[in-house]
Parts: sequence; structure tokens; C-alpha cells
Amino acid sequence: DQQVKQNSPSLSVQEGRISILNCDYTNSMFDYFLWYKKYPAEGPTFLISISSIKDKNEDGRFTVFLNKSAKHLSLHIVPSQPGDSAVYFCAASVLFGNEKLTFGTGTRLTIIP
Amino acid sequence: DTAVSQTPKYLVTQMGNDKSIKCEQNLGHDTMYWYKQDSKKFLKIMFSYNNKELIINETVPNRFSPKSPDKAHLNLHINSLELGDSAVYFCASSQDPLSPGELFFGEGSRLTVL
Repeated sequence: DQQVKQNSPSLSVQEGRISILNCDYTNSMFDYFLWYKKYPAEGPTFLISISSIKDKNEDGRFTVFLNKSAKHLSLHIVPSQPGDSAVYFCAASVLFGNEKLTFGTGTRLTIIP
Repeated sequence: DTAVSQTPKYLVTQMGNDKSIKCEQNLGHDTMYWYKQDSKKFLKIMFSYNNKELIINETVPNRFSPKSPDKAHLNLHINSLELGDSAVYFCASSQDPLSPGELFFGEGSRLTVL
């Protein structure tokens, strides 16, 4: 049962434009969401997070939006840069439940110079 | 200085063998994890330890045995390897076990079972 879904395995975006990565979840108990970025031959690195009491969190070029009623979150990167080319994983958990993160399968983002 | 380091990075072995993957973190974190990324790219938790105590044990065959000699180390031993064990295994650590927050991952260990 895949509780966190990233339905787009890949996405290509022109440099300087906005990249939008999407993530859907099915477990209504999830209340904490994170995005991780992964380069080849490296482990995932934390990018940005959001708790369910917010609908938006911003950090520089990265903004995460949460739509609880639709059980949907998205990561916006603007402007996109070549160094943003990586695989992006969405993850979700129950805050103060246990520390188990449930990950999506990732979206490979390619920024075209 | 690598925050979370795993060895070996690559491991090729025959079915039926026993192998270990070591993990060390120098972040002073209390909680460590093993995640498995299979061929379909699912990244799933296997185990977590907090201060050397097992707190999460997902549905993992008992051929997999984690060992935490101290809170900076969490090793994974796999007995009687099977073809389906081929995957990338990631070690991770975090500061606070009650709040998932940010995980710091190692670079991964790619295990190939022939």
C-alpha cells in the first residue's frame, strides 16, 4: 500500500523557469511532510518541511505548499538552476507518533540550461 | 568530515553468503536508522535505534539483524543472502526520536546478490 505517491517519475524544466513537483498522500494521520533531494551516488539530503498547521513554507528559492483537504503537497523551485537537477523525494510522517518516515518513489528533475 | 558514513559502498556477493554493512555518525545524534531502496525506488524503513535500543522493526526477515554497539554506530548484518536482498541500503541518523524532523543519510551501500 503506497501511502505517499509521486506520480511523475521525471520532469524537465528550462533554467530560470519554475519547477513544480507534486506529491499525494492517502493517510489522513500524516501531519508532517518533508522534501529530500538526492544526487547520484549520494544519500538523500533534507530540503524543506511543513507541518499540517501551515499551508505554505518558504526557504529561499524553495516553497512547499500543503493542501490538506486534497491530501496534496507540492514543491516549487524558482528560479530553477542547473544544480537543482536531482531526484526529489516527498516524505510524510505522524508528528510525535514515531519517527518513521514514509517516502514517495521520487521525481527526477532535469534543468535544461 | 562525513556526517554519516557507511562501508562498504558496493558489495557483490553470492546467494547464501553472510555480509555486514557498517554505519557510523559523528553528529552526536541519538537515533539511527536503516532504510532500504529497492529496484522500484521505494525507500522504506527497516529499523531504528535510539541510544542503542531498538525502537522500530518493520516487517523485515529475521535474516537481517541490526547491532548498535554504541549510539554512534548501527551495523546491519544479513545472513543467507537472497536475490531479493539486492538493493541500496541507506543508514541515517536524527537528533530527536519523537519528532521525525530531518534525517541525515549516508551515501548508501549498493548490495548485489548473484
